[in-house]
Amino acid sequence: DQQVKQNSPSLSVQEGRISILNCDYTNSMFDYFLWYKKYPAEGPTFLISISSIKDKNEDGRFTVFLNKSAKHLSLHIVPSQPGDSAVYFCAASASGAGSYQLTFGKGTKLSVIP
Amino acid sequence: ETGVTQTPRHLVMGMTNKKSLKCEQHLGHNAMYWYKQSAKKPLELMFVYNFKEQTENNSVPSRFSPECPNSSHLFLHLHTLQPEDSALYLCASSPTGNTEAFFGQGTRLTVV
Repeated sequence: DQQVKQNSPSLSVQEGRISILNCDYTNSMFDYFLWYKKYPAEGPTFLISISSIKDKNEDGRFTVFLNKSAKHLSLHIVPSQPGDSAVYFCAASASGAGSYQLTFGKGTKLSVIP
Repeated sequence: ETGVTQTPRHLVMGMTNKKSLKCEQHLGHNAMYWYKQSAKKPLELMFVYNFKEQTENNSVPSRFSPECPNSSHLFLHLHTLQPEDSALYLCASSPTGNTEAFFGQGTRLTVV
């Protein structure tokens, strides 16, 4: 049973517009959430994270929103650029004693059209 | 360049072969991980090492054998694999278990 779900396998957005990538989770113990970006033939690279004590974290064009009651988070990219075209993975972890596990979603492939 | 280097980048092996994947990190991190990414599946955590000690083994078959000789190096020894083990194997490291992990570029493994 998937604990982190990205229900949209792909998303196409026009350059300059906003990209919104969504992620849902089921485990209420998760308290730290991350977004990774992956280009073909490369490993995932860390993009932005948010702790459960916050509901928003912003870094340049990237903003992550967390709705704990809905167990939902989203990544907003604005304005979208062609270089943002990649697969985006949502990941979550639970800060338990000795826990080092990140649980990933299947990813959403974003295509930004020039 | 993320500071985590994996070799080889591509590997084709027969089911009776023995091979090893290598990972090296120069970031001074304490934790190292092996992940597996199969087609159309999420990244799956296989093993975790913290200060050279294995802290997690997510029910991985014994044909996968990790080794962590020091905090900078991690190996995944492979023997008698099955075709369904073909996947992208990713190594990662982090300073602690609850912060962002830095990934290598992965080894694309094909078992024939």
